[in-house]
Amino acid sequence: GDSVTQMEGPVTLSEEAFLTINCTYTATGYPSLFWYVQYPGEGLQLLLKATKADDKGSNKGFEATYRKETTSFHLEKGSVQVSDSAVYFCALTGSSNTGKLIFGQGTTLQVKP
Amino acid sequence: GAGVSQTPSNKVTEKGKYVELRCDPISGHTALYWYRQSLGQGPEFLIYFQGTGAADDSGLPNDRFFAVRPEGSVSTLKIQRTERGDSAVYLCASSLEGLGTEAFFGQGTRLTVV
Repeated sequence: GDSVTQMEGPVTLSEEAFLTINCTYTATGYPSLFWYVQYPGEGLQLLLKATKADDKGSNKGFEATYRKETTSFHLEKGSVQVSDSAVYFCALTGSSNTGKLIFGQGTTLQVKP
Repeated sequence: GAGVSQTPSNKVTEKGKYVELRCDPISGHTALYWYRQSLGQGPEFLIYFQGTGAADDSGLPNDRFFAVRPEGSVSTLKIQRTERGDSAVYLCASSLEGLGTEAFFGQGTRLTVV
């Protein structure tokens, strides 16, 4: 069945460091891919998405490119801030047409001043 | 309201008891989803409503779990004979039309079964 695998955390970085969080997926068909973020004490929020191969999603300085050949959707940011500290989830729409999401296990990012 | 609202935010119950968790979606959203998130894991799909009907309930773990959405708006997730393994955060999300439209999540109900 469809699945998402993320790199394990926690990831600890200094402010202004470069961030990569790896995400690979297994899916039938052509899923849409997402990154969601959960800030402390808040609900899940959509960070960015890509709906077809080679699409790049971007938001708030974060980027991810839909790579069908490597079944990957790695999240990157050139210079992280303390306020980026959160849990990041990679997700895809399942092979059904319902829009239900299949999530990875999440990666905790801690950015230190 | 402006966002998806879930009540209660926390619920502690004894093993074997019945619980109901409520979700108020964004007004006008026809699609509603329930997910369960265990500690250290990503959310897992439970059930999807399109309007009043459960279009996909393939994620419900067993027949102790049931959900309704009688008027196509508010939904209630019902758990009978709770077990300690049911302890988790239960998340609700809604979207305008389902596939292809952004899902907005509530802050969840943290259920603890003691």
